[in-house]
Amino acid sequence: NAGVTQTPKFRVLKTGQSMTLLCAQDMNHEYMYWYRQDPGMGLRLIHYSVGEGTTAKGEVPDGYNVSRLKKQNFLLGLESAAPSQTSVYFCASTPDRLNTGELFFGEGSRLTVL
Amino acid sequence: GQQVMQIPQYQHVQEGEDFTTYCNSSTTLSNIQWYKQRPGGHPVFLIQLVKSGEVKKQKRLTFQFGEAKKNSSLHITATQTTDVGTYFCKNSGYALNFGKGTSLLVTP
Repeated sequence: NAGVTQTPKFRVLKTGQSMTLLCAQDMNHEYMYWYRQDPGMGLRLIHYSVGEGTTAKGEVPDGYNVSRLKKQNFLLGLESAAPSQTSVYFCASTPDRLNTGELFFGEGSRLTVL
Repeated sequence: GQQVMQIPQYQHVQEGEDFTTYCNSSTTLSNIQWYKQRPGGHPVFLIQLVKSGEVKKQKRLTFQFGEAKKNSSLHITATQTTDVGTYFCKNSGYALNFGKGTSLLVTP
């Protein structure tokens, strides 16, 4: 089992460019999440999904879109990147229906927007 | 979602000293989880506390859940350089809000 895999691991963008971060999990988990981590800010929830075909906004959703077309994949899109979106992005998943289970994280994707 | 606050934000200790981080909520939590993130790494699950007053130990780490289920603590006895990292608490629920974490630096 690979667990939670994020691609790409590093990316540099220019302001206004678009890109998609891919999160793939092979554990058949229902719930998936995208966080961003900035110094001193901890982990902030961007968007999440409670199942295939569903998405919901988290704490900081502006400037991002997500899709969950397949259960194993959760995509995070930036339509027009801004320097404020320079961050480390983490994907996580959990199987627990009651949402009380352990979160499994990917290794992170470091994005720099110039 | 229920917000959790963590203190302190940073802690610098000499190797061998003890360390404690606290997680507080204004509302009752159904459970609390603790994660550790090494520098440059990703958060890794440590433990989950569910019951009022629960205490769990993992070697030198002791986790407590308050009687009112509004606070929790992580205590490390005799820190080692391998304890360096950021410790996060997290509440349950769909929003899955994390505390901002306590960054621990251990000097040999």
